[in-house]
Amino acid sequence: GQNIDQPTEMTATEGAIVQINCTYQTSGFNGLFWYQQHAGEAPTFLSYNVLDGLEEKGRFSSFLSRSKGYSYLLLKELQMKDSASYLCVRERVTGGGNKLTFGTGTQLKVEL
Amino acid sequence: ETGVTQTPRHLVMGMTNKKSLKCEQHLGHNAMYWYKQSAKKPLELMFVYSLEERVENNSVPSRFSPECPNSSHLFLHLHTLQPEDSALYLCASSQGTSGNNEQFFGPGTRLTVL
Repeated sequence: GQNIDQPTEMTATEGAIVQINCTYQTSGFNGLFWYQQHAGEAPTFLSYNVLDGLEEKGRFSSFLSRSKGYSYLLLKELQMKDSASYLCVRERVTGGGNKLTFGTGTQLKVEL
Repeated sequence: ETGVTQTPRHLVMGMTNKKSLKCEQHLGHNAMYWYKQSAKKPLELMFVYSLEERVENNSVPSRFSPECPNSSHLFLHLHTLQPEDSALYLCASSQGTSGNNEQFFGPGTRLTVL
């Protein structure tokens, strides 16, 4: 995606922890979303960060550093169903409302 | 189920055909969006409607024509498409368009242009 960088693919083991990193262009930045997309399905919301720091939600946590233009998604106690694409999404507020720019996604494969 | 439905789920059309994609949201949201998702590419925003008014047209060719008759329904009218327009077309809705407004996505229409 435009000005959003995240790894294309990652592989991890069931029960393990994985961190998916994302860097983005900071100009006009307002907030950072993470979405999950299973193959052939619609993206679903995971998290939203607007302030620096870590937001924890069950097995998933998301971190943001506004000054560094950096975020990560942390997945704990990985399960096979976590195999999906994880989309880093930058929000920019414009005169017409917020505009989302999607990254190309990180395809996570969870193995036994 | 996200509360956003799309029909048809799959569509095959020739370059001279005219077809329409339909999206309906049952969430009481005020904003609706069309996105295009091509293989190996990120989601691309096409159009944004807020309170039934188009607030963004992201340099989309005129062969794609959106229509928003009310805040619950959104259409994408297609005519004289090209094979490169084959993609997954996703509709989304959100409560508003500013700040933390999580977007809820429909299942998408898989379009193939022959």
